[in-house]
Amino acid sequence: DQQVKQNSPSLSVQEGRISILNCDYTNSMFDYFLWYKKYPAEGPTFLISISSIKDKNEDGRFTVFLNKSAKHLSLHIVPSQPGDSAVYFCAASLSFGNEKLTFGTGTRLTIIP
Amino acid sequence: DAGVTQSPTHLIKTRGQQVTLRCSPISGHKSVSWYQQVLGQGPQFIFQYYEKEERGRGNFPDRFSARQFPNYSSELNVNALLLGDSALYLCASSGGAGGYTFGSGTRLTVV
Repeated sequence: DQQVKQNSPSLSVQEGRISILNCDYTNSMFDYFLWYKKYPAEGPTFLISISSIKDKNEDGRFTVFLNKSAKHLSLHIVPSQPGDSAVYFCAASLSFGNEKLTFGTGTRLTIIP
Repeated sequence: DAGVTQSPTHLIKTRGQQVTLRCSPISGHKSVSWYQQVLGQGPQFIFQYYEKEERGRGNFPDRFSARQFPNYSSELNVNALLLGDSALYLCASSGGAGGYTFGSGTRLTVV
């Protein structure tokens, strides 16, 4: 039972354009959401997070949007850069500080120069 | 500052053998979690330890066990290895402020 879903296995975006990665979840008890970026042979690196009491959180080029009623979140990267090419994972937990994270299957983002 | 360190980086074991993976958290972090990432999937939660106590366990068989030491480092043990245990095993540490830092993982291959 996949509680966190990333339905796009891959995405290609032109350098300088906006990258939008999507994530859906089924468990309405999830309260805290995170995005991680993973390069080959490295562990996931934390990018940005959002609590369920917010609908948007911004950090530099990265913005996460949360639509609780639709159980959907998205990560926007503007402008996209070649170094953004990686696998992006969406993760959810039952509360801030709860370290049992449920991950999606990931989206491979390729930035085309 | 050293990040989360895991050892070994790569390991090859035979079916039926036992394996021990090690993790040192970021200095000052008292919580360690273990994840299994099978190729093509996202990481799956195995265990969380905080102050040497098990705080959470994922849906894994009893062949998987872990412990945390007084210096907050941790070991993950897997007994009676199966081919399906081949995966990247990730350790994450947390200082409790909602940030989880992952190590680079141990790539386990069971043949």
